[in-house]
Amino acid sequence: GAGVSQSPSNKVTEKGKDVELRCDPISGHTALYWYRQSLGQGLEFLIYFQGNSAPDKSGLPSDRFSAERTGGSVSTLTIQRTQQEDSAVYLCASSDPEQTQYFGPGTRLLVL
Amino acid sequence: LAKTTQPISMDSYEGQEVNITCSHNNIATNDYITWYQQFPSQGPRFIIQGYKTKVTNEVASLFIPADRKSSTLSLPRVSLSDTAVYYCLVGDNTDKLIFGTGTRLQVFP
Repeated sequence: GAGVSQSPSNKVTEKGKDVELRCDPISGHTALYWYRQSLGQGLEFLIYFQGNSAPDKSGLPSDRFSAERTGGSVSTLTIQRTQQEDSAVYLCASSDPEQTQYFGPGTRLLVL
Repeated sequence: LAKTTQPISMDSYEGQEVNITCSHNNIATNDYITWYQQFPSQGPRFIIQGYKTKVTNEVASLFIPADRKSSTLSLPRVSLSDTAVYYCLVGDNTDKLIFGTGTRLQVFP
């Protein structure tokens, strides 16, 4: 079946511009995660959605970062006024009831 | 959430068995232990999950002692393609599971 998809696969932007990253989770998965991974580093948790509960935003690094999940399915991560330190791979995962996470291919963001 | 501790890196040679141990001293009764593998330029992928004793699948084995305060991922006869980062996570199905820094396994020919 279809896995988690993310778009765009690559994004190059200029410092100060806003970007939107999209995640399509596996159908029926109620939990959705966003992570950030810099080159050679581990995964940095950003935000967690679980069903209709309020999202856990404890990992968002600044108020320039926000995310929403519409209709309990597709999620969008928005970064406003991008900075060079925002350059990273942004990974999305959705999980089944056993909490096994299935990851998308990621969006590689480069801020010039 | 139970905190996990695992070695930062390990080296091995092709054909050897590799054992990566993860410590989780404050694991809760309802917590499962899950391992993920991440290749360069890819997202992590699920390897194996267990609750107690031993679990084996086509990829790896997971050994969990009776006190469940640690677990060991065992990779039999590793190859160069097993070079990756391996993450240990602990939690129940109501927790968000957070990845740590993982163990970077390097397999040499």
